[in-house]
Amino acid sequence: GENVEQHPSTLSVQEGDSAVIKCTYSDSASNYFPWYKQELGKGPQLIIDIRSNVGEKKDQRIAVTLNKTAKHFSLHITETQPEDSAVYFCAAIRLSGYSTLTFGKGTMLLVSP
Amino acid sequence: DTGVSQDPRHKITKRGQNVTFRCDPISEHNRLYWYRQTLGQGPEFLTYFQNEAQLEKSRLLSDRFSAERPKGSFSTLEIQRTEQGDSAMYLCASSPSGSLDVYNEQFFGPGTRLTVL
Repeated sequence: GENVEQHPSTLSVQEGDSAVIKCTYSDSASNYFPWYKQELGKGPQLIIDIRSNVGEKKDQRIAVTLNKTAKHFSLHITETQPEDSAVYFCAAIRLSGYSTLTFGKGTMLLVSP
Repeated sequence: DTGVSQDPRHKITKRGQNVTFRCDPISEHNRLYWYRQTLGQGPEFLTYFQNEAQLEKSRLLSDRFSAERPKGSFSTLEIQRTEQGDSAMYLCASSPSGSLDVYNEQFFGPGTRLTVL
């Protein structure tokens, strides 16, 4: 089955700095990679995603890059704000045929004012 | 609030007792998922329903676990003879159904935190 590794487990930055979270996956058949943000006391919420036919996707201050050959993808947050503090999860899934999301272990991002 | 709701939010029980959690998905969503999340880990898939049919079960779902979605709306997850290792956050998610090559976003509820003493 799919295995998703995520690093780092914790990340502390100053407000305004950039943050990068990296994930690797094992199943070359995985073709969809969502990122979730989980705030305290809440369930995960989708913030951005990327499909395997795209190398990069950007949405305001967040962007995701994908390297299919190396089987890794990354989340980039620029101009971080205190409200970005949360746990971020990457995930992978193979569409076209039933499959389930496999999540990484999460990265706790702390943005200090 | 039209999001996914879960009840109760917290449950403390003694080892050996049975517990039942409820999930109410977004009303027009056909698919419903249960996940387990332990401290420092990402959500782990447990089981999935398409309407009232349970289509997939993880190896994590031991015989002590049972899930139902009797009318294709709300779902229950029951754990019998709870063990301390069952302590975790149990998350429910729902999504609309669609074609297999399109990801239909899963919307997560706030979870039920189970503590087994």
